[in-house]
Amino acid sequence: DSGVTQTPKHLITATGQRVTLRCSPRSGDLSVYWYQQSLDQGLQFLIQYYNGEERAKGNILERFSAQQFPDLHSELNLSSLELGDSALYFCASSVGMGTDTQYFGPGTRLTVL
Amino acid sequence: ILNVEQSPQSLHVQEGDSTNFTCSFPSSNFYALHWYRWETAKSPEALFVMTLNGDEKKKGRISATLNTKEGYSYLYIKGSQPEDSATYLCALNFGNEKLTFGTGTRLTIIP
Repeated sequence: DSGVTQTPKHLITATGQRVTLRCSPRSGDLSVYWYQQSLDQGLQFLIQYYNGEERAKGNILERFSAQQFPDLHSELNLSSLELGDSALYFCASSVGMGTDTQYFGPGTRLTVL
Repeated sequence: ILNVEQSPQSLHVQEGDSTNFTCSFPSSNFYALHWYRWETAKSPEALFVMTLNGDEKKKGRISATLNTKEGYSYLYIKGSQPEDSATYLCALNFGNEKLTFGTGTRLTIIP
């Protein structure tokens, strides 16, 4: 158990819908990262927050957005969902940034029908 | 585009044998290299973070080396056990706060 929690574990929804994925980092960690793993693809970095501020952005679609709240938990919002958005979404946290080890949560499996 | 290449893609090893695999990356812009172990139906588990050329890290039967000048890292597993079966991921930090992951080496230990 890494200490990073994610909810829900599984999510099934329809195309066009909007969902919110939630992540609570390890106690004391200030950075939260979101990753997407689609079928037959490696882990793709989406976005990073550090102490409430966006710090780095990957190939995140405009339909996706995220935020980190004052209590340091983070939410990833996915809207106008398409079939291709079906994937495993991981959250990771670290103490700071740069070379710090990232600890991964259990992931949320999103299925868009 | 900064690519991280891992080889081989998959590997079958007899229990008790030792094995190793490679992570290759462009040597420019190197900042840090991370190794993760990812078991099926679980989340990636951090093994090592390496930053300096010549770094060697060890955790039990697993060790890793780093050559930043030529752009590669080796992960070694000594005396493989069935519980070592997993996908081993290499990820690079090129100084821009994000990790770029390789596609992993899938290791299967044959009892």
